[in-house]
Amino acid sequence: AQTVTQSQPEMSVQEAETVTLSCTYDTSESDYYLFWYKQPPSRQMILVIRQEAYKQQNATENRFSVNFQKAAKSFSLKISDSQLGDAAMYFCAYRSALRDDKIIFGKGTRLHILP
Amino acid sequence: DTGVSQDPRHKITKRGQNVTFRCDPISEHNRLYWYRQTLGQGPEFLTYFQNEAQLEKSRLLSDRFSAERPKGSFSTLEIQRTEQGDSAMYLCASSLWTGGEQFFGPGTRLTVL
Repeated sequence: AQTVTQSQPEMSVQEAETVTLSCTYDTSESDYYLFWYKQPPSRQMILVIRQEAYKQQNATENRFSVNFQKAAKSFSLKISDSQLGDAAMYFCAYRSALRDDKIIFGKGTRLHILP
Repeated sequence: DTGVSQDPRHKITKRGQNVTFRCDPISEHNRLYWYRQTLGQGPEFLTYFQNEAQLEKSRLLSDRFSAERPKGSFSTLEIQRTEQGDSAMYLCASSLWTGGEQFFGPGTRLTVL
């Protein structure tokens, strides 16, 4: 079975600084997708960034980028120029590209932005 | 269309009562998913539909849980004889196609007293 592990329950970063959230996963599959989702307090979950496992190039979305290390099964999220609106729970997630459509989530990292 | 909607947003019930939640997906999205999120955890998959067909159910979905999507549009999730352990946020998501991005609703927070 696939698992997703986020070892940092909480993190804090100064506004305008850069922060990296860690994630590791376990799978025997070769074709899959990895995601970072953001869940602001009392608001709905939104997709931040997506990475296809077959792509070697790391995904980037504006201030958000990932470091995808397939051999190490590591998938970290870097947030540059942190803003107050980035404060949220961040979930790392996995989905098989072959077998089914369900998403497997980690336990999340709560990110605090310090003004 | 403004996204996935869920009703109610909050539900407080007494143990042993039945509750029903509704999810309205983004129109034309043929896949609909239910997840459960307990405090301090990430969402866990419960079940999903392709149009009106329920394609997979997690072992988390005990016999007290039933989900339907009768016309391939909105979906309902019913919990019978609620237990305190059912207290959680129930999230609904929809996607346009297999493998497409899943868009999440705001969730229904259930508290069982």
